[in-house]
Amino acid sequence: EPEVTQTPSHQVTQMGQEVILRCVPISNHLYFYWYRQILGQKVEFLVSFYNNEISEKSEIFDDQFSVERPDGSNFTLKIRSTKLEDSAMYFCASTNSYSNQPQHFGDGTRLSIL
Amino acid sequence: AQSVTQLDSHVSVSEGTPVLLRCNYSSSYSPSLFWYVQHPNKGLQLLLKYTSAATLVKGINGFEAEFKKSETSFHLTKPSAHMSDAAEYFCVVTPTGFQKLVFGTGTRLLVSP
Repeated sequence: EPEVTQTPSHQVTQMGQEVILRCVPISNHLYFYWYRQILGQKVEFLVSFYNNEISEKSEIFDDQFSVERPDGSNFTLKIRSTKLEDSAMYFCASTNSYSNQPQHFGDGTRLSIL
Repeated sequence: AQSVTQLDSHVSVSEGTPVLLRCNYSSSYSPSLFWYVQHPNKGLQLLLKYTSAATLVKGINGFEAEFKKSETSFHLTKPSAHMSDAAEYFCVVTPTGFQKLVFGTGTRLLVSP
């Protein structure tokens, strides 16, 4: 069964540094998402992306965050200047249509900011 | 706006006994509802989905859930728990499948021998 893959599985970064989290969605999917889960808290929506542009973003997704689909397979989340509170598990998801098909998730990247 | 409330943060059962994980939703119109499971250090796996077809939904690994509009509930059940069911379970709502998912706070299921 096709999977969403995320790399790296764990990223340790110094505060203030830029970080890029990478995702390869399922190949025929058109809608892409990032969510995050701070330790002990619930999963929160960050951003959705369709047709090479952001379709919705949450209040968490401020100017420090950006997303990109640089080629036909990758979907990236960049945090420009990381803060301690960015430490979380970040999940990528994708789905192939708007007819109530479920979103498929990757295993996540654990981001630790020191 | 959509939201879900998972009524129990932890549920403990013995292996072989039934499982009930409770979820109530709030939605201004007919929602899509999902249950996802997260095993330790793993991603979110879809267990089952409700999208306005049959109100009793069967999922993977013997789980099922019943959509009850009158009670705004979507409880997850399994007749007989297995040790491998120990995980975190999330009830999720969305107006449509391609829009943002709104997660509940999760229920940790503990299964003892």
